[in-house]
Amino acid sequence: EIVLTQSPDFQSVTPKEKVTISCRASQSIGSSLHWYQQKPDQSPKLLIKYASQSISGVPSRFSGGGSGTDFTLTINSLEPEDAAAYYCHQSSDLPLTFGGGTKVEIK
Amino acid sequence: EVQLVESGGGLVQPGGSLRLSCADSEFTFSTYEMNWVRQAPGKGLEWVSYISSSGSTIYYADSVKGRFTISRDNAKNSLYLHMNSLRAEDTAIYYCVRVGYNSGYFDSWGRGTLVTVSS
Repeated sequence: EIVLTQSPDFQSVTPKEKVTISCRASQSIGSSLHWYQQKPDQSPKLLIKYASQSISGVPSRFSGGGSGTDFTLTINSLEPEDAAAYYCHQSSDLPLTFGGGTKVEIK
Repeated sequence: EVQLVESGGGLVQPGGSLRLSCADSEFTFSTYEMNWVRQAPGKGLEWVSYISSSGSTIYYADSVKGRFTISRDNAKNSLYLHMNSLRAEDTAIYYCVRVGYNSGYFDSWGRGTLVTVSS
């Protein structure tokens, strides 16, 4: 099973700050890594596909990078509505797995 | 916009059974691969099961293999999850999730239905 390790688990950030979330895979997964945002009491929403590809309708301050085993989600100039949990997900191999999540709180 | 609506959750005793349903408002339902993903209260996301667009290919997480059965009825634009021998650790919100066309990412999620396994 491919284990995805996210860091940090929690981050408290001031608006307009830059946020970087890491996702490390236990083995190489190429670019088969996707990011989701889950706001409180809502279902997850796709933010980034295949490590760095943007999604229509998602603000441009969200970007992704990396390949192989190390990936990052970056939020440039954090907005108050970005308070949420963020999850990475790999589709390279079964079982499909998710990272443990990173909760971003607005100071 | 894709709308996936789950139903069938509720309170069930350990060892009991439940059937979840997911209705898709899109007429193109039959062309998409589908999954069930769950989330225990206050916890992260866990993939449960996958079914191909035709229903011919199915996979399960080890934690539910032999107890859960995924199926679909493309004529009714519906996805199902039959859950047997339920355990306390199956307590979670169950999401119906669509796979992006010819891809691996999850592009649409339902609002979820809560399953509580407790005596």
